[in-house]
Amino acid sequence: SYELTQPPSVSVSPGQTARITCSGDALPKKYAYWYQQKSGQAPVLVIYEDSKRPSGIPERFSGSSSGTMATLTISGAQVEDEADYYCYSTDSSGNHRRVFGTGTKVTVL
Amino acid sequence: QVQLVESGGGLVKPGGSLRLSCAASGFTFSDYYMSWIRQAPGKGLEWVSYISSSGSTIYYADSVKGRFTISRDNAKNSLYLQMNSLRAEDTAVYYCARDRRDWNDVPDYWGQGTLVTVSS
Repeated sequence: SYELTQPPSVSVSPGQTARITCSGDALPKKYAYWYQQKSGQAPVLVIYEDSKRPSGIPERFSGSSSGTMATLTISGAQVEDEADYYCYSTDSSGNHRRVFGTGTKVTVL
Repeated sequence: QVQLVESGGGLVKPGGSLRLSCAASGFTFSDYYMSWIRQAPGKGLEWVSYISSSGSTIYYADSVKGRFTISRDNAKNSLYLQMNSLRAEDTAVYYCARDRRDWNDVPDYWGQGTLVTVSS
């Protein structure tokens, strides 16, 4: 089955840049999306179609994708950005199944 | 504003059944694909199923195929998940989500979830 692999954790100091990677064989053909999930809350979409920000998402969140890797960048991380982050995409084999990444805990301290 | 409210979760014994509901408001429900996504306690997100706007197209994750059935009632603005032959590994918070068609059907709005616990 298709998998999206993320690092388990990333730590960053306030004001610094955090980068979270997502690796998947189908990413050259399929878009990557990113969700933020704070403790006890439902996920929130922060990046769609590799690099676009939904309305209301701060500009410090950006996305990119190259080859088999997508990256979420938080520029000037804030304490309130501490959360779990999940990438999301679809399999390119035509089975219409959707996949979430393994998740990355971002700590801002 | 978009609102999705799940209900129907609870404690059920292994092998039992449960039906989850999701009440939608704040958008034209019949225009959107909808999804169920779950999260086991302390674990990551797992896509479960999605259904097209008319209900004619449905897909499931391998882990639930043959046991779970997704359905919708556009007249009632409601999404459902019938869960049969439940196992301990089905224990999770179940979220319903609206799929954004012009963003390649990505789930863009999520409910707050309902907890399903499978235990004897």
